Amino acid sequence: EDQVTQSPEALRLQEGESSSLNCSYTVSGLRGLFWYRQDPGKGPEFLFTLYSAGEEKEKERLKATLTKKESFLHITAPKPEDSATYLCAVRIDRGSTLGRLYFGRGTQLTVWP
Amino acid sequence: DSGVTQTPKHLITATGQRVTLRCSPRSGDLSVYWYQQSLDQGLQFLIQYYNGEERAKGNILERFSAQQFPDLHSELNLSSLELGDSALYFCASSLREGSGSYNSPLHFGNGTRLTVT
Repeated sequence: EDQVTQSPEALRLQEGESSSLNCSYTVSGLRGLFWYRQDPGKGPEFLFTLYSAGEEKEKERLKATLTKKESFLHITAPKPEDSATYLCAVRIDRGSTLGRLYFGRGTQLTVWP
Repeated sequence: DSGVTQTPKHLITATGQRVTLRCSPRSGDLSVYWYQQSLDQGLQFLIQYYNGEERAKGNILERFSAQQFPDLHSELNLSSLELGDSALYFCASSLREGSGSYNSPLHFGNGTRLTVT
């Protein structure tokens, strides 16, 4: 069974304290791994797509990396405005799954001043 | 702003009732996806449409149905509502079908919060 698991479920950081969020997946036919940010009461906001092991992408204080079994979202010197739930999702294109994304449960990040 | 518009933002209704949720995709996007998000289940895929045709179904209940119209907006119909249907319902759109277009992320609206009392 395809699975996407995110850890930790919740993370509290002091402003400036760097850390990493993990997304591990057990799927076959991976066609992309996606990171989203979700603020309370809002829809997920697209951050990155990664396609192959070794790939890295950066945006401001965020850097996403991908291996064959997992992805990391590194947050460098976070600020309170980085507080949100970070969602990982995979796209598996086989059979009837087409373009849908399978989401993990997310990591709720809180950055305090 | 993702460009995906969902209405209404909030909906409160009673058990047994029927509601319709509406979604307008980003300009130019042909695919529409519906997801349900609840506290205990996370984001669950319901159904996908591409250019007016149903393309994939997920864990969508028989009481739920959807369609995509010629102008590409989509509606999700929920009937015989139960307390457990209370959740956030998100619509997302992308330019193409997923197969062969792996660089096409989904862009989400801000959802409709459905409360069934």
